[in-house]
Amino acid sequence: GAGVSQSPRYKVAKRGQDVALRCDPISGHVSLFWYQQALGQGPEFLTYFQNEAQLDKSGLPSDRFFAERPEGSVSTLKIQRTQQEDSAVYLCASMVEGNSGNTIYFGEGSWLTVV
Amino acid sequence: DAKTTQPPSMDCAEGRAANLPCNHSTISGNEYVYWYRQIHSQGPQYIIHGLKNNETNEMASLIITEDRKSSTLILPHATLRDTAVYYCIVSGSARQLTFGSGTQLTVLP
Repeated sequence: GAGVSQSPRYKVAKRGQDVALRCDPISGHVSLFWYQQALGQGPEFLTYFQNEAQLDKSGLPSDRFFAERPEGSVSTLKIQRTQQEDSAVYLCASMVEGNSGNTIYFGEGSWLTVV
Repeated sequence: DAKTTQPPSMDCAEGRAANLPCNHSTISGNEYVYWYRQIHSQGPQYIIHGLKNNETNEMASLIITEDRKSSTLILPHATLRDTAVYYCIVSGSARQLTFGSGTQLTVLP
């Protein structure tokens, strides 16, 4: 597709349930990012991949959060034993390298509500 | 990364230019100024970025002061669809974007 694609678009999970959120980056983009956005706030960095290598996971809030990108294209963000505070929009982004600086493109996000 | 300061909200009349300011007095020499916007219920959308020269694309113009301590994003003819939160971010790389609270721009009919 032309842009970053995320699924599901909306997810309601019961507290304690595991969820998996999928991201299809723009074709050919080596770098992939996950961000978390709570209601009324700006996006916050979670983790970054270059191809299949997870180079930075400093933003993952707890060990219940796990991300993978096994073949260097599609990525999955998994949240185990979901808690109410995990309710947020999870944004995936991929990056193209430009001649000056670089540009990151975001998907529409996966809206997670934990009840 | 350098921090930025933006007004929390602004209004603009439809068809007029929207000028969104951003202060980044602690910017360092290798840091770019990025602008993104987020329309309600959508992911952030890239607008423009620059290092020290003014930049223009089909969406907007970016004016960076000579000392690089502040910048202005200009939407030349604002439409109702430009109503969004606008984020000014200063970073050495798009791998390290730190979003603040942004400016809520409301374009009025």
